[in-house]
Order: sequence, then C-alpha cells, then structure tokens
Amino acid sequence: GAVVSQHPSWVICKSGTSVKIECRSLDFQATTMFWYRQFPKQSLMLMATSNEGSKATYEQGVEKDKFLINHASLTLSTLTVTSAHPEDSSFYICSARGMRETQYFGPGTRLLVL
Amino acid sequence: GQNIDQPTEMTATEGAIVQINCTYQTSGFNGLFWYQQHAGEAPTFLSYNVLDGLEEKGRFSSFLSRSKGYSYLLLKELQMKDSASYLCAVRDKGDYKLSFGAGTTVTVRA
Repeated sequence: GAVVSQHPSWVICKSGTSVKIECRSLDFQATTMFWYRQFPKQSLMLMATSNEGSKATYEQGVEKDKFLINHASLTLSTLTVTSAHPEDSSFYICSARGMRETQYFGPGTRLLVL
Repeated sequence: GQNIDQPTEMTATEGAIVQINCTYQTSGFNGLFWYQQHAGEAPTFLSYNVLDGLEEKGRFSSFLSRSKGYSYLLLKELQMKDSASYLCAVRDKGDYKLSFGAGTTVTVRA
C-alpha cells in the first residue's frame, strides 16, 4: 500500500519551454501532497503544499507563477515548470500524506533544461 | 523554523552496527521521521517517532527524546545494500510539513 507514482521520470527540454509533472497516489486518497526539489548532494527542499480543491501554499522564495500547482482530485497533483531555464534543472519529488500522517514519496522526476 | 543536524558521512563494515544521530531545534514538533534514499532515487519511509522511546522494526530501530531534541537511527547487521543517504525529518505542528536534515551518507564496506 501507500504507492505514489510520478510521471515522467526523466525530462530533457529546451530553455523557455514548460514542463508538466504528474504525481498520483495509487492506492489511497491524498488530500494533501507536497512538492520538493533536490539539487545534487543536498537535502530535499519543500517548494509547496498542494491541497485538493484549493490553492497551493508556496514556501518562501518559490515563485508561484513559475511553478504552477494544480490538485484537481484526491489522487492527482501536477507541477508545471513554466518557461524553464537551466537553473531549474533538478530532481523534483512529490509526496502524498497517507496513514498516520506519514508522507510517502514518489520516485521523482529528473529535469534537465538545455 | 526548524534546525536539524546530522553527521555528513559515516562508514561501517558489513555485519556491524551504525548509529546515526539527529538533533533538532524546532518551533513546533509533531513527530520525527527517518527516510532512506539511494542515489538518484526518491526517499523511502523507514520509521516514525512521536513519543519518547525506541521503535524497533527488523534491523532498523529509531529512538526519540523530545526533551533533548534528539533522535537516532540504529542500523544492525549492516548489509551492502544499506549504503545510502539517511534523512532525518521533523514534522511541524498544524501544517504537517516536513523539514529535512541534510542527510547522512552511510557507506558499508566488505
């Protein structure tokens, strides 16, 4: 149980394009999902909290107009990196809040912007 | 805010025991988590402590002392596959957000 999927697992795109990443809870409903970013050899940094049916809450320093989050259903949240630039290249990981309030992580999406 | 400290690296021999310490200073506390992360992969849940004491789960155990702001993860009978980064994370009250330490890279040698 408590499986979270992410799609795609790898993205390579040109600078200026937008990239959408999907996060799904496969066997449970998640009213809350979280989006993290992790640079090489660094820990996870929370970007935003995604709540089903309401606007996402962004952490300080994260541009909400650049990182668009939509939590349209109890099993799906999407993160769109708009007008991506090389400095946005990173490992993006989502998590979904499950039983005992534990966060279960998706497998991550590696984004490379050329 | 949260301030979470854990050692950067640890090395141990296959079959041995390793203890990874984590200290935290937080504005609110609602549980401490340990995650394992292999290179290039997402973290996987290992343990959760919200009350003081030891939680044992197979070869892994986790301890919490809320008064001291201290936790440790104990890995017993180390195997080569245990080579990974171990992340200590503290959950804040109210919003369920996790704040992560920088992670401890454990290298298991034959």
